[in-house]
Amino acid sequence: KAGVTQTPRYLIKTRGQQVTLSCSPISGHRSVSWYQQTPGQGLQFLFEYFSETQRNKGNFPGRFSGRQFSNSRSEMNVSTLELGDSALYLCASSPHPTGPNTGELFFGEGSRLTVL
Amino acid sequence: SQKIEQNSEALNIQEGKTATLTCNYTNYSPAYLQWYRQDPGRGPVFLLLIRENEKEKRKERLKVTFDTTLKQSLFHITASQPADSATYLCAPSSSSASKIIFGSGTRLSIRP
Repeated sequence: KAGVTQTPRYLIKTRGQQVTLSCSPISGHRSVSWYQQTPGQGLQFLFEYFSETQRNKGNFPGRFSGRQFSNSRSEMNVSTLELGDSALYLCASSPHPTGPNTGELFFGEGSRLTVL
Repeated sequence: SQKIEQNSEALNIQEGKTATLTCNYTNYSPAYLQWYRQDPGRGPVFLLLIRENEKEKRKERLKVTFDTTLKQSLFHITASQPADSATYLCAPSSSSASKIIFGSGTRLSIRP
């Protein structure tokens, strides 16, 4: 069974540009969560999608957005990039939405974004 | 607000010894708690999940305890090996949680 796939793995952008990251969950998983990881802040929750609906959003500015398609693949977009957006962006999939029956999250290898 | 604390200092352990990592939480009562391992530049990998009605859980050389009175979970690796060197993250979650929040992680280094 294929794992969670994130593309691209590495990318470099300049300030003011925008970026789109993609996440393909494990087959059959309908929940996709996105996290930002930086050395200073650790893993910070961005948002979760389940069945094409955003269920929850973390404390990030509106420049960070996402969506989920009918095949459960998800994308996140960051507009007007800032230097502080440099981070490892991780997505995780799960069969169920976050709640009392949540089990483990399956993470991808991440997309390493560098903003110059 | 909910707060999760893990040893911020790296933990250095001699090979063969037991490594013990701590996860403390405040201002909420998790219904379950997960532990993940993360290697540099990689995504976290799930290790164990323990629920509030379970005091202890084991998997091979790993053992997790969950003390809801102390608001603490301990993660033990017995007979530690250099390959166990990684960052370990805990994630305590309440039953009503709509997102899984992680601690900042503890970096473990096992020296031969």
